[in-house]
Amino acid sequence: DAMVIQNPRYQVTQFGKPVTLSCSQTLNHNVMYWYQQKSSQAPKLLFHYYDKDFNNEADTPDNFQSRRPNTSFCFLDIRSPGLGDAAMYLCATSTLDTADTQYFGPGTRLTVL
Amino acid sequence: AQSVAQPEDQVNVAEGNPLTVKCTYSVSGNPYLFWYVQYPNRGLQFLLKYITGDNLVKGSYGFEAEFNKSQTSFHLKKPSALVSDSALYFCAVRDTWGNAGNMLTFGGGTRLMVKP
Repeated sequence: DAMVIQNPRYQVTQFGKPVTLSCSQTLNHNVMYWYQQKSSQAPKLLFHYYDKDFNNEADTPDNFQSRRPNTSFCFLDIRSPGLGDAAMYLCATSTLDTADTQYFGPGTRLTVL
Repeated sequence: AQSVAQPEDQVNVAEGNPLTVKCTYSVSGNPYLFWYVQYPNRGLQFLLKYITGDNLVKGSYGFEAEFNKSQTSFHLKKPSALVSDSALYFCAVRDTWGNAGNMLTFGGGTRLMVKP
């Protein structure tokens, strides 16, 4: 089945220790998104890619970076995680059609000790 | 700018009863409207969407939603609730006007509790 996969599902890191979260998709979608979700709140968009064209949301902290080496994979790097970065991180994909649905992965829950 | 409001933080309903989860929106152009469901420690799962056409949209797991342009609403409904429907529900909108592109704006979420 075509899908969005996130690894790992649970990640524990230490304060200030860099961490990378990964997302892959078999849907062959052009657009990939990273969201941060805290405590059952609405997901907050961090970045998105139109193909390899990177788009950073204005209020995304510099501590967060992203890479998309090819259509299938996208990575979220947190350079120096703080306690406030503990959250669920969601990856999503869609086509370029604005009527299309965004399909989400299962998420990675990040704990910062 | 596009925005979505889900006025109820939580909705409680007894199993077998009909349920409604409310959503209102604000856009400059015509809206594309979506409902997602989220179970604990899981990603968002797509339920249904309104793009154009029939105002009553049917989706997964027996859910449906009615688009009402005059009231700018897109309430989620189900005729008979199941305990397994208990989850967090998000309404989202995409504006067809301006530079919103593929961007979704989510409501704050409504927790649905279905009691046996």
